[in-house]
Amino acid sequence: DAGVIQSPRHEVTEMGQEVTLRCKPISGHDYLFWYRQTMMRGLELLIYFNNNVPIDDSGMPEDRFSAKMPNASFSTLKIQPSEPRDSAVYFCASSFVQTYEQYFGPGTRLTVT
Amino acid sequence: AQKITQTQPGMFVQEKEAVTLDCTYDTSDPSYGLFWYKQPSSGEMIFLIYQGSYDQQNATEGRYSLNFQKARKSANLVISASQLGDSAMYFCAMREAQGGSEKLVFGKGTKLTVNP
Repeated sequence: DAGVIQSPRHEVTEMGQEVTLRCKPISGHDYLFWYRQTMMRGLELLIYFNNNVPIDDSGMPEDRFSAKMPNASFSTLKIQPSEPRDSAVYFCASSFVQTYEQYFGPGTRLTVT
Repeated sequence: AQKITQTQPGMFVQEKEAVTLDCTYDTSDPSYGLFWYKQPSSGEMIFLIYQGSYDQQNATEGRYSLNFQKARKSANLVISASQLGDSAMYFCAMREAQGGSEKLVFGKGTKLTVNP
């Protein structure tokens, strides 16, 4: 299996621009998770989906962030408008319902200037 | 209160020796799971080992074992025969089953350096 795929791997954008991060989970996985990692806050869950349905979005920082999962093989995390404090590494992860371990993608390093 | 506490910001170990990375957790949920992940300098998060709260035996995966002490609420990771490639950040995480949540809460991590 190819593992969780994320794109782009690096994104540099200016404040105020829209940013879209993409994720393809491992085929057959039921859950998809979006995490953000910063030095100050560590690794924190933003939102997760079960069978394409958002289950818990309590970690989404504010209305500028939105996530969608239109089908079982694709999800997006959008930031509009972006701000310098959004600079972080964003991870996507997926897992089976029968097991608990989450498999992470390589991450997208976002820099907002 | 923090759910996951990793008190060692950094640890050093000599190659081929064993090392224990500490993790304590806080939960009132009787059903929960504990995880360890490795994050090398390249940045990816690699799943290492899982322990369920009802598992009778400590989990083992190759050179990794989890020293699970339920009464003390600790889930320390033991790496035997350390290798240079073990140098990385290590994160402990917990999943609480209450409400059917799949949410993982991570600790701040421990940076392990293996010296030759």
